[in-house]
Amino acid sequence: EVQVLESGGDLVQPGRSLRLSCAASGFTFSNHAMSWVRQAPGKGLEWVSGISGSADSTYYSDSVKGRFTISRDNSKSTLYLQMNSLKAEDTAIYYCARGAYTTSWGNWFDPWGQGTLVTVSS
Amino acid sequence: DIVMTQSPDSLAVSLGERATINCKSSQSVLYNSNNNNYLAWYQHKPGQPPKLLIYWASTRESGVPDRFSGSGSGTDFTLTISSLQAEDVAVYYCQQYYSTPATFGQGTKVEIK
Repeated sequence: EVQVLESGGDLVQPGRSLRLSCAASGFTFSNHAMSWVRQAPGKGLEWVSGISGSADSTYYSDSVKGRFTISRDNSKSTLYLQMNSLKAEDTAIYYCARGAYTTSWGNWFDPWGQGTLVTVSS
Repeated sequence: DIVMTQSPDSLAVSLGERATINCKSSQSVLYNSNNNNYLAWYQHKPGQPPKLLIYWASTRESGVPDRFSGSGSGTDFTLTISSLQAEDVAVYYCQQYYSTPATFGQGTKVEIK
């Protein structure tokens, strides 16, 4: 079964850091781009960051550029999101999602993980 | 960034009746070199992750009931649920993958009348 499973969400103070992980199984991880998508409380879906299958291309939304870093370890079939200088507006459920193709462009997302909650509050 | 605008924000439909959700992009998501529209639809139920329903604007994902259909091209798209079932209550999102960043519509909440 193709699946992805996030972990690492937590309550963290503004300005602190947090690293999310996403473990993939059931498919050849390096053949697919991966993305992080978040949903703030009561809001819609917002794409955060994406990385190509070979990790040679990464992309970020303007809202996280310079603060978040996406990476992957294809030997471990794991995706990461390093989040620094966290702000209250980063509070959200963070979903890991598999892209349809290896390139980080031109992908729909399937499947999505169950999500991990990040709460930024003092 | 391409802005995706859905209408309506919510709708209530009787069981067995048709539900229609519209999605408009601020620029065309039709890629002329392959004639594909880079548009997907998702269903999102509370407490669950979003589920892919449709990609390439009209290709139904494997396992998705055929009462769900997608249509449209260029900048205007539609998701139709031909005969609403109780399990279809959810928020539905369109998403463009024509350019980075991928962007979603604001969502349409579908309820039973």
